[in-house]
Amino acid sequence: KNEVEQSPQNLTAQEGEFITINCSYSVGISALHWLQQHPGGGIVSLFMLSSGKKKHGRLIATINIQEKHSSLHITASHPRDSAVYICAVSHMYSGGGADGLTFGKGTHLIIQP
Amino acid sequence: EPEVTQTPSHQVTQMGQEVILRCVPISNHLYFYWYRQILGQKVEFLVSFYNNEISEKSEIFDDQFSVERPDGSNFTLKIRSTKLEDSAMYFCASFSLAGGGGSDTQYFGPGTRLTVL
Repeated sequence: KNEVEQSPQNLTAQEGEFITINCSYSVGISALHWLQQHPGGGIVSLFMLSSGKKKHGRLIATINIQEKHSSLHITASHPRDSAVYICAVSHMYSGGGADGLTFGKGTHLIIQP
Repeated sequence: EPEVTQTPSHQVTQMGQEVILRCVPISNHLYFYWYRQILGQKVEFLVSFYNNEISEKSEIFDDQFSVERPDGSNFTLKIRSTKLEDSAMYFCASFSLAGGGGSDTQYFGPGTRLTVL
């Protein structure tokens, strides 16, 4: 069973700061997901990656498969980035498709103006 | 932008009652999931469903739970006899391989908040 650990658990920063959230997992995976959960509860997928790096706007996600570690970076942070950021991992079936995600506990991010 | 929908948004029920949570996945997706999140805790996997059968289930998904895709569009989670500890937010998600025209990620519905009294 995969264990997914995130750090920090809570993070408060000032607007404009560069943010890094870390995720590590214990067992080899097919893909790692970064998700965003807003106070209302809805979950939005930000990235799914299996190697290297992906960028979308001010968000950057990296993964190191050998070290079983991923980071999510937010550049030029803004109060609207305040949310819970969740790391989750999955395995792909040999015939395609993916099993259920195993989630970390999430990082509560608050960006103050 | 296609989206996963869930009904109802809130459900309050008495302990021991049956509840059915409904989800409409994205239409060309083939893999469907139910997750739950107890207040203040992390999201947990319940069950995955493909080709009209369960492909994987967690320890949480015991005999009190069942899933169905009754009509080719809806995807339901039934809890036969609810317990207090079933109170949680339940999320449905769907997934399709990139070759099907989507991205290789799971799309989540907005959730159903279940309260068992």
